[in-house]
Amino acid sequence: EDQVTQSPEALRLQEGESSSLNCSYTVSGLRGLFWYRQDPGKGPEFLFTLYSAGEEKEKERLKATLTKKESFLHITAPKPEDSATYLCAVPVYSSASKIIFGSGTRLSIRP
Amino acid sequence: DSGVTQTPKHLITATGQRVTLRCSPRSGDLSVYWYQQSLDQGLQFLIQYYNGEERAKGNILERFSAQQFPDLHSELNLSSLELGDSALYFCASSPLRGGDGDTGELFFGEGSRLTVL
Repeated sequence: EDQVTQSPEALRLQEGESSSLNCSYTVSGLRGLFWYRQDPGKGPEFLFTLYSAGEEKEKERLKATLTKKESFLHITAPKPEDSATYLCAVPVYSSASKIIFGSGTRLSIRP
Repeated sequence: DSGVTQTPKHLITATGQRVTLRCSPRSGDLSVYWYQQSLDQGLQFLIQYYNGEERAKGNILERFSAQQFPDLHSELNLSSLELGDSALYFCASSPLRGGDGDTGELFFGEGSRLTVL
């Protein structure tokens, strides 16, 4: 079964304390992996697309990496404004083409 | 601002009722996706349309239906509402058709929060 699993469910960090979020997937023939950020009560906002193992993308304090079975979102020296839920998603091309999302990691950065 | 407009932002209704949620995609985008996000749950894919035609269907209940009109706006109809249908309903758009090699980032609206009492 096609599945996207994110861990941890929640993560609390001190401002400046770096860490990583994990997204593992079981889909046949990965055609890309997306990272989104979602603020409370808002729609998800696109961050990155990764297409092949070894690929890396960076944006400010965030860096996304991809292996054959999982992706990591590394956050370096986070600030309180980085607090949000981070979602990963993959397109699935089985009986129907769709984009499935993981349940997300709620990141909280304390000042 | 993603350019995707959803109305209404909030809706409170009673069990057994029917509601319609509306979505206007970004200018130029032909694909519209609908997702449901319940409390403490992830985004559940419901359905996708491309240029008026249904392209993909997810875990959409038979009580729910959707369509995309010639002007590309889309409506999600929810009927015989139950308490468990209370959720945030998101619409997202994309310029791509969807499918192998033709799927990219989605642009999400702010969502419609449905409360069923």
